[in-house]
Amino acid sequence: SAVISQKPSRDICQRGTSLTIQCQVDSQVTMMFWYRQQPGQSLTLIATANQGSEATYESGFVIDKFPISRPNLTFSTLTVSNMSPEDSSIYLCSVGPEEGRPQHFGDGTRLSIL
Amino acid sequence: QKEVEQNSGPLSVPEGAIASLNCTYSDRGSQSFFWYRQYSGKSPELIMSIYSNGDKEDGRFTAQLNKASQYVSLLIRDSQPSDSATYLCAVKEAQAGTALIFGKGTTLSVSS
Repeated sequence: SAVISQKPSRDICQRGTSLTIQCQVDSQVTMMFWYRQQPGQSLTLIATANQGSEATYESGFVIDKFPISRPNLTFSTLTVSNMSPEDSSIYLCSVGPEEGRPQHFGDGTRLSIL
Repeated sequence: QKEVEQNSGPLSVPEGAIASLNCTYSDRGSQSFFWYRQYSGKSPELIMSIYSNGDKEDGRFTAQLNKASQYVSLLIRDSQPSDSATYLCAVKEAQAGTALIFGKGTTLSVSS
């Protein structure tokens, strides 16, 4: 399975600031996914990021709040903008499923907003 | 709205017992089914995948799929305290390139 590295692993941020999360994969993948996991909850898909095109956002998530970049087939970033305490979550980068491969996750970014 | 339903638990079993985790899904077009294990503070880890009706065994784990009933389950035999975690059921539809849809997870506690 692909090795997925996320940075930072955790951060504590001030209200109103923005944080960019990086996701690096050790192989080329067509699609990358960003999920959010709020405390005690399951995973919610934020958006799907394809290389060379705009990300596709799920209902309830907008580009102004969660801008995504996908400059090449091994890298993506998710920015959490104008953060509020409600944004305190784990943010997870994921790759797959493609060509029958299951979906795997990075270690996640644990974000707390004060 | 495509949904994946799981009992949140907690499901408590003694060490050595069989733990049975259940999941139902709403989208009849779903083609692939997965079980992930998530320890507290960690990201989800894939433990089983199943694509066709019937049983699939891997060590102490058995996944069962019944597409007609839109039901998938995970059995853990000889449960160990290290199996204590949240188990997430995930479903993928047939359309290529779509992400998994996750249930809320069932918390399993195995007592020694």
